[in-house]
Amino acid sequence: EAQVTQNPRYLITVTGKKLTVTCSQNMNHEYMSWYRQDPGLGLRQIYYSMNVEVTDKGDVPEGYKVSRKEKRNFPLILESPSPNQTSLYFCASSDRGGPDTQYFGPGTRLTVL
Amino acid sequence: GNSVTQMEGPVTLSEEAFLTINCTYTATGYPSLFWYVQYPGEGLQLLLKATKADDKGSNKGFEATYRKETTSFHLEKGSVQVSDSAVYFCALNAGNMLTFGGGTRLMVKP
Repeated sequence: EAQVTQNPRYLITVTGKKLTVTCSQNMNHEYMSWYRQDPGLGLRQIYYSMNVEVTDKGDVPEGYKVSRKEKRNFPLILESPSPNQTSLYFCASSDRGGPDTQYFGPGTRLTVL
Repeated sequence: GNSVTQMEGPVTLSEEAFLTINCTYTATGYPSLFWYVQYPGEGLQLLLKATKADDKGSNKGFEATYRKETTSFHLEKGSVQVSDSAVYFCALNAGNMLTFGGGTRLMVKP
């Protein structure tokens, strides 16, 4: 089954404790991206990757890191989480070399205390 | 920069009513336009898209027409069902990034 998976689905952590949210897709897509969803703000793009070893900042990259060592994986790293990073995070992937038709993961709800 | 503006919700309708959710955009160049739907507890799914002016995207009874002159991409459905209750997002792609609107929650009552 074609899908994008994220782990964990729910996470409660404390300020400053490094965490990683994993994202994996099994569709051989080149393009992957991370979004955060906040009430009234829709989805805002954090980072995206056009291909392996190619990453770029989205609209709200501050406080986040990503890496793309393999085509299927695109982890999101919060080196020192803060309460304003409490949000619902989505990973997505698409083929055709860009964000045309994106397939979204189920989401990760992060709470930073 | 690029931006997408959607009507604020929630929109509450009775079953079989006509639905319109307004979406307008600001972008340089000629963006592709999308409607995504998010059902409770799930990620977003592509509902329909249009890639150039005057294109009409359609899926599952939903339609939207790319209007360049009014920079709009309004979502319509002739007869909504309870199962259409969800959050709907308008989005545009003018390069390597998708820009989303704030989302409109639709609630359909039996």
